[in-house]
Amino acid sequence: DGGITQSPKYLFRKEGQNVTLSCEQNLNHDAMYWYRQDPGQGLRLIYYSQIVNDFQKGDIAEGYSVSREKKESFPLTVTSAQKNPTAFYLCASNERRDNEQFFGPGTRLTVL
Amino acid sequence: EDQVTQSPEALRLQEGESSSLNCSYTVSGLRGLFWYRQDPGKGPEFLFTLYSAGEEKEKERLKATLTKKESFLHITAPKPEDSATYLCAVQGETNAGKSTFGDGTTLTVKP
Repeated sequence: DGGITQSPKYLFRKEGQNVTLSCEQNLNHDAMYWYRQDPGQGLRLIYYSQIVNDFQKGDIAEGYSVSREKKESFPLTVTSAQKNPTAFYLCASNERRDNEQFFGPGTRLTVL
Repeated sequence: EDQVTQSPEALRLQEGESSSLNCSYTVSGLRGLFWYRQDPGKGPEFLFTLYSAGEEKEKERLKATLTKKESFLHITAPKPEDSATYLCAVQGETNAGKSTFGDGTTLTVKP
C-alpha cells in the first residue's frame, strides 16, 4: 500500500533535548511538507521541500531543522531552541506543487 | 499574504439536518482551494479540489462550491459518522507550492 508513515506516534522530550521525527513516503512524490497543529487551530507550515537536496522555510521555521537526502524521506528535528514544541506534527506530500496533499498519521510531541 | 477564515468554529447538527460550512479566502491568483476532513488524533484526509469560480464537486453527502471570495461545504442529511473537523486550504500564485490552512470547523452530528 502506498502512503506516508510517521514515527513515533507519541514522543516525550525533556527540555533542552533535540528530537527527530521521521517521515517516509512510498508514493514517489517530489514535494514533502512539515506542519504543526495546536489544539483548535489549523495547520502551520514549518518547512517544505520540492526536490531532493533542497528545502525552504515555512511560516514557523525557527527552532526546527530538516534534511532531504532521499526522495522518500524528510525528517524533522525539533531543537532546544524551539520554545514551545508541544504540538501535533504532520508530514505531507504531493505529486506536484498545486495538487492535493497526502498526510501521514502524525506525531504527538510532549515536552516534560 | 494568503488568508483563510472558516466559520462557524463548531457546528452541532441532528442526524438528517442539512447545513453548510463556510471558507472565506483572500489569495493572489488562486491555484486551488482544497477541503480536507480530519478525525481526532489523525492526519487530514483529502476531500475536494476546486480551481475556478462556479465549480462544484460532490461526494456522497458532501458538496463543495466555489465563488471568487468563498467556498461552501454543503452537508446533506448528515450521519454521525460525518462528525469530524473540516479544513479548508488555498494555494496562490505568489506562494507556489505552499498551502494556507484555515482553523477548521468541527462538526458534531447527533443521532
